[in-house]
Amino acid sequence: SQQGEEDPQALSIQEGENATMNCSYKTSINNLQWYRQNSGRGLVHLILIRSNEREKHSGRLRVTLDTSKKSSSLLITASRAADTASYFCAVDSSYKLIFGSGTRLLVRP
Amino acid sequence: GAVVSQHPSRVICKSGTSVKIECRSLDFQATTMFWYRQFPKQSLMLMATSNEGSKATYEQGVEKDKFLINHASLTLSTLTVTSAHPEDSSFYICSARDVLIGRGDYEQYFGPGTRLTVT
Repeated sequence: SQQGEEDPQALSIQEGENATMNCSYKTSINNLQWYRQNSGRGLVHLILIRSNEREKHSGRLRVTLDTSKKSSSLLITASRAADTASYFCAVDSSYKLIFGSGTRLLVRP
Repeated sequence: GAVVSQHPSRVICKSGTSVKIECRSLDFQATTMFWYRQFPKQSLMLMATSNEGSKATYEQGVEKDKFLINHASLTLSTLTVTSAHPEDSSFYICSARDVLIGRGDYEQYFGPGTRLTVT
């Protein structure tokens, strides 16, 4: 089962630009997490934001959470070609981690 | 951070045979492990939740007799794809939860995945 949708499905930007990805979900959550996956590889945990938090930063990453709208966004600032990957949100609900549909990000050098 | 390993990383098998995939938590004890599958260019779909010493809980639409899960110890869970068919070809990823880290949150670690190809 999938929790919700991410948009855009694909995003292509120039190196140095910011990238914003959005995630919507359907149920109540304990926390929401963002992961990155390079093609054909495993997952890398990026950031976790708890249900009572509204914003969190980690390096070039900024995550917001709006529980009233059941949505979250991931902002990557000053993007680099190495940021090219698929990004997934995942909601921790009922002690299971359910993933969104993902955004494929391409950062052109 | 904690490490979760999977073996094998890649496997090719013939249609009708069974394949076993192992998932190990290397430096922590995982009372709960999860199995996901991922088709190309798609997201991870949760297949089942595995608790040590008890039967796995399968997500809707996942055949428990086809995907046998055994969580025999706190560091090992196995997924056996029985009577595999080409449509079972996929990327299988396991995940393990570590101890409570506060306010009901757990740290969850993912294995590197196993690519199964059924010919």
